[in-house]
Amino acid sequence: QSVLTQPPSVSEAPHQRVTISCSGSSSNIENNGVNWYQQLPGKAPKLLIYYDDLRPSGVSDRFSGSKSGTSASLAISGLQSEDEADYYCATWDDKLSGFVFGPGTTVTVL
Amino acid sequence: EVQLVESGGGLVQPGGSLRLSCAASGFTFETYSMNWVRQAPGKGLEWISYISSSKVSIYYADSVKGRFTISRDNPKNSLFLHMNSLRVEDTALYYCVRAEWFYDTSYPDFWGQGTLVTVSS
Repeated sequence: QSVLTQPPSVSEAPHQRVTISCSGSSSNIENNGVNWYQQLPGKAPKLLIYYDDLRPSGVSDRFSGSKSGTSASLAISGLQSEDEADYYCATWDDKLSGFVFGPGTTVTVL
Repeated sequence: EVQLVESGGGLVQPGGSLRLSCAASGFTFETYSMNWVRQAPGKGLEWISYISSSKVSIYYADSVKGRFTISRDNPKNSLFLHMNSLRVEDTALYYCVRAEWFYDTSYPDFWGQGTLVTVSS
């Protein structure tokens, strides 16, 4: 059981906006940078957001991250069919002295 | 082009051992920290180990502590995971993942394609 909580799934129509939440605690999200990963079916994960709200070079600006206290969020705007994937939040946990991943959220484009 | 190529996976009996390797190229391996992350079939991602560039800092998830050992050979641009006392629940795709730094925060950024470990009798 993960120390981070994400909704199992979210769905929305094309061109709409979805938000995925990630809830943690003071030992992880509140005091450490949050990262988001996209995993397309059958593929290795890809970094989408690092340090709460920064996008690596090459990642679409339709993806944005935010954080407040012990919670973080990933927003996907202008939803496209190619965005159908599993999305994971992740951060360092000071109590566990290790990196932790959320359970993942499956995004479905209706 | 950054590349991470894992190898060494396969079928092993419970209680057995296996050594995974990761060959890195396209970046200065000796300056990067590295991780192993695994994914059981149909399940989510689980971080299992981290090693700093100089090997000074090493961390393990509780689920593998005492059974797995991470190591690296910087001149050979290689990362390893020595796995002992393997259990059925260790069955997973094992990813080699580079760690980038931003200020005082390390985060996994680039992932290999993984090598499959199956523990079964």
